[in-house]
Amino acid sequence: GAVVSQHPSWVICKSGTSVKIECRSLDFQATTMFWYRQFPKQSLMLMATSNEGSKATYEQGVEKDKFLINHASLTLSTLTVTSAHPEDSSFYICSARAQTGVHEQYFGPGTRLTVT
Amino acid sequence: LAKTTQPISMDSYEGQEVNITCSHNNIATNDYITWYQQFPSQGPRFIIQGYKTKVTNEVASLFIPADRKSSTLSLPRVSLSDTAVYYCLVGGEGQGFSFIFGKGTRLLVKP
Repeated sequence: GAVVSQHPSWVICKSGTSVKIECRSLDFQATTMFWYRQFPKQSLMLMATSNEGSKATYEQGVEKDKFLINHASLTLSTLTVTSAHPEDSSFYICSARAQTGVHEQYFGPGTRLTVT
Repeated sequence: LAKTTQPISMDSYEGQEVNITCSHNNIATNDYITWYQQFPSQGPRFIIQGYKTKVTNEVASLFIPADRKSSTLSLPRVSLSDTAVYYCLVGGEGQGFSFIFGKGTRLLVKP
């Protein structure tokens, strides 16, 4: 149980285009989903927290207009990288939490984004 | 949010017990301590979570002293496949559950 999937697992796009990454909780309802970014040999950096049906809360320094997050249902959250540039190339990881008060996060397998 | 400090790296040999300690001096009353394992190009995997004293599951043990300012993840009889980065996280509902990852500990298990 508690499986989180991401799609696509990797994507290559041209500079200036937008890319959408999906995060799904397959066997549970996720009231809260988190989006992280990880550069090579570095730790995960929390980008934003989203609760189903409400606007995402972005961490300081993360541009909300560039990284659009939608959490329209209890099993799906999407991250759209708008007008991507090479510096946006990274490993994007989502995680989901089943209900408030539960401290475990279940992570997706990650999405490797390469912007050329 | 409680900041965590872990050793950058550790080496071990197959079959040994590995203990990774994490310092979290400003842990709050409502904070839990959670450990994750991450392999390259994969999402982190939950290992164990605790609040105080000792917690054990099928893969690890977590020791938390009474003052809760540190915790130790114990991996019994490691194998080569345990080579990974291990993260200690501290957080609770009071901070809106923002899980801030520290730098983690790179464990290398040698044959």
